[in-house]
Amino acid sequence: QQQVKQSPQSLIVQKGGISIINCAYENTAFDYFPWYQQFPGKGPALLIAIRPDVSEKKEGRFTISFNKSAKQFSLHIMDSQPGDSATYFCAASKRYGQNFVFGPGTRLSVLP
Amino acid sequence: EPEVTQTPSHQVTQMGQEVILRCVPISNHLYFYWYRQILGQKVEFLVSFYNNEISEKSEIFDDQFSVERPDGSNFTLKIRSTKLEDSAMYFCASSGTSGNNYEQYFGPGTRLTVT
Repeated sequence: QQQVKQSPQSLIVQKGGISIINCAYENTAFDYFPWYQQFPGKGPALLIAIRPDVSEKKEGRFTISFNKSAKQFSLHIMDSQPGDSATYFCAASKRYGQNFVFGPGTRLSVLP
Repeated sequence: EPEVTQTPSHQVTQMGQEVILRCVPISNHLYFYWYRQILGQKVEFLVSFYNNEISEKSEIFDDQFSVERPDGSNFTLKIRSTKLEDSAMYFCASSGTSGNNYEQYFGPGTRLTVT
């Protein structure tokens, strides 16, 4: 019940294309869903996050789509750039002070 | 922009030795966390800390681990007797308590190598 599933494990996209990463959870007590971007040798950096009271949130080229009934959420990266090449982790949390449960990660490679 | 800092960036130690990893959270944050990431794997929660006590811990955080906030700025993770399987990146994170988001900001990590 604490698990967050993430797919695909790796993704290759051409520059300018759309990258889509999907996550699913089981615990309905989760109510905060962030996405983190991690470059090799660096810590995870918060990219964008959503609460279940909205179905979509957009920040620049990054959009989270959230389907509460299906317990799924996804990250869309529009106009993907080589600089977006990184590992992306979805996560879920219940409230302040609670740990984040991370998905296993998606390694994105954007080809020039 | 405020950030979480961690020292050292890389720690090499022998099996059975004690290590202390240090973190300086963002100054107005009140929740502090330690996570670890074994090479190539996902980030795993170890412990959260609030109001000078542990608020939650995972099954990984056994008696070999302890956390402390020795002063107003530092937050430390101690591993008493390191094992080979403790080799990982250790990330400190912090979060505030206001607003609608439970945003956690991560430090750059300490790479712990146990030989």
